[in-house]
Amino acid sequence: KQEVTQIPAALSVPEGENLVLNCSFTDSAIYNLQWFRQDPGKGLTSLLLIQSSQREQTSGRLNASLDKSSGRSTLYIAASQPGDSATYLCAVRRAPGSQGNLIFGKGTKLSVKP
Amino acid sequence: EAGVAQSPRYKIIEKRQSVAFWCNPISGHATLYWYQQILGQGPKLLIQFQNNGVVDDSQLPKDRFSAERLKGVDSTLKIQPAKLEDSAVYLCASSLASGPNYGYTFGSGTRLTVV
Repeated sequence: KQEVTQIPAALSVPEGENLVLNCSFTDSAIYNLQWFRQDPGKGLTSLLLIQSSQREQTSGRLNASLDKSSGRSTLYIAASQPGDSATYLCAVRRAPGSQGNLIFGKGTKLSVKP
Repeated sequence: EAGVAQSPRYKIIEKRQSVAFWCNPISGHATLYWYQQILGQGPKLLIQFQNNGVVDDSQLPKDRFSAERLKGVDSTLKIQPAKLEDSAVYLCASSLASGPNYGYTFGSGTRLTVV
């Protein structure tokens, strides 16, 4: 059974700091991995998607890496801003042949202090 | 394009009452998902529809939860009777098709509180 773990559960940093969020998964037979952002009272917004054959994806100040063999992914946020405060969720998608649903971690709640 | 619409945004009910949530996916999206997100947890899939057929309902508590997607567009999720542990955010998502190549778009969710 696939399990996704995110560490830390919560993180508070001063504005401008670079930070790393961690995600691990137990079954390496994944098709892709996604990082989502969730603001209070809102739905999920997809940030980055990494296919299983890729090592990393970048979007602006965000960089996500994937080490499928070790079951790990990281989300790097450069020069953090108060607007980055949100919960960040990692989700893995099972390999082709399975239905396309996502398995989520519990998330990391990020607070960036001005 | 318009996003995934959900209503109501909030609902408070007493235990043993019934409640229904509504979802309107993005136009043309064949696949629709209902997720349950308990406070402090990641979303968990309840049911997946492909058009108006159920693809996966293995984690749906069928003794109290039901869902339908008539005509393959809008969907409703019902809980009857509700329990305290059903307090959660219910998220609807849609994608153009099933399978891992297609991205999801999530709605803002319905926050249910059972007292």
